[in-house]
Amino acid sequence: GQNIDQPTEMTATEGAIVQINCTYQTSGFNGLFWYQQHAGEAPTFLSYNVLDGLEEKGRFSSFLSRSKGYSYLLLKELQMKDSASYLCAVRVGDSWGKLQFGAGTQVVVTP
Amino acid sequence: DTAVSQTPKYLVTQMGNDKSIKCEQNLGHDTMYWYKQDSKKFLKIMFSYNNKELIINETVPNRFSPKSPDKAHLNLHINSLELGDSAVYFCASSQAGTGKETQYFGPGTRLLVL
Repeated sequence: GQNIDQPTEMTATEGAIVQINCTYQTSGFNGLFWYQQHAGEAPTFLSYNVLDGLEEKGRFSSFLSRSKGYSYLLLKELQMKDSASYLCAVRVGDSWGKLQFGAGTQVVVTP
Repeated sequence: DTAVSQTPKYLVTQMGNDKSIKCEQNLGHDTMYWYKQDSKKFLKIMFSYNNKELIINETVPNRFSPKSPDKAHLNLHINSLELGDSAVYFCASSQAGTGKETQYFGPGTRLLVL
């Protein structure tokens, strides 16, 4: 099976930076995704890493270390609209391999 | 709008009934998925179809039967509904062979079994 661990909840102030860690134990690793899910809505794609290193996309960055089974999502210049659940998902197998999701990290942004 | 759409958005029904959820994508993708998100917000894969062929079939009760009439549609039929089937069901689609194969999700169907 796959174990994907991420913190349950994090709170940060508007304008601050928050780092959400994700650790995984998996076989057949074929990429790691981060999704954002607002309450009552669908998950939306944020980032994808398959090679080690940092991927930057505006205020959001994602890092991967395959040898350590570790990823993080960095949210900079937090805005109130960033309050949401952030889901770490590992793809296993081939190109249409299934995504195994973590339980999600609820980020609460306070004024 | 280009998107993944699902109907209905809400479904309230009695135990023992049979119901269907429909999903359509106009993104031109060849792979579609059904996920279940329970009350603890865990999102779990149920099924996946690539070009109308079943490629992922997780340990799901056989009361759940997916059907893909064409690669733009993936429906989910549930027989003899049980209380534990109450959850949000998300459809998703992706395009194989692109490298990322990012999955795009529909708005979800909130199923409540009474």
